[in-house]
Amino acid sequence: QKEVEQNSGPLSVPEGAIASLNCTYSDRVSQSFFWYRQYSGKSPELIMSIYSNGDKEDGRFTAQLNKASQYVSLLIRDSQPSDSATYLCAVFLSGAGSYQLTFGKGTKLSVIP
Amino acid sequence: EAGVTQFPSHSVIEKGQTVTLRCDPISGHDNLYWYRRVMGKEIKFLLHFVKESKQDESGMPNNRFLAERTGGTYSTLKVQPAELEDSGVYFCASSQLSGTSGVGYEQYFGPGTRLTVT
Repeated sequence: QKEVEQNSGPLSVPEGAIASLNCTYSDRVSQSFFWYRQYSGKSPELIMSIYSNGDKEDGRFTAQLNKASQYVSLLIRDSQPSDSATYLCAVFLSGAGSYQLTFGKGTKLSVIP
Repeated sequence: EAGVTQFPSHSVIEKGQTVTLRCDPISGHDNLYWYRRVMGKEIKFLLHFVKESKQDESGMPNNRFLAERTGGTYSTLKVQPAELEDSGVYFCASSQLSGTSGVGYEQYFGPGTRLTVT
């Protein structure tokens, strides 16, 4: 069964620190990877996408992908209380005519002022 | 540009009743998806439309669920008759591009409809 695994947390970091969120996936042919941020009761908000091995930076966010290890991570630098949310890892699993995303359960991040 | 919108935001119905959820995708997005999150579980795929055609409905749980996208614009998801296990949050998402590579394939989610079946 194709799965995406995340630590549920909560992950607590002090304001200004680096938050590191991790995700592993089971399907080696996965091609595209996404991080969504979800505030309580709100919709998942796309914050990062990554398609190739290595790092991708966007402001305070850096996504890291290692396809050999089937591992993707999200680093948040200079964490702010407003970053407190649940972070969802989503994987695009290719298949005949299938464009579905497979999600992890999410990691709850709490940034302490 | 308006995002994905969904209606209603919350619906409470009794077991055996019918409910219809609506989704309006981002203008110009041909691809529309339905997902569901039940309590304590991850978000799970239900189905995918390309314009008015069902591209993939492998995630639909059973024949009590019927999705339509007449004219390739908005979509409806009907649950008839509703069961207790259908309770959860139903999300709609849309994307502009599609393709097996997934590149440029970002999906944008609506606020969801919270369905409670009692």
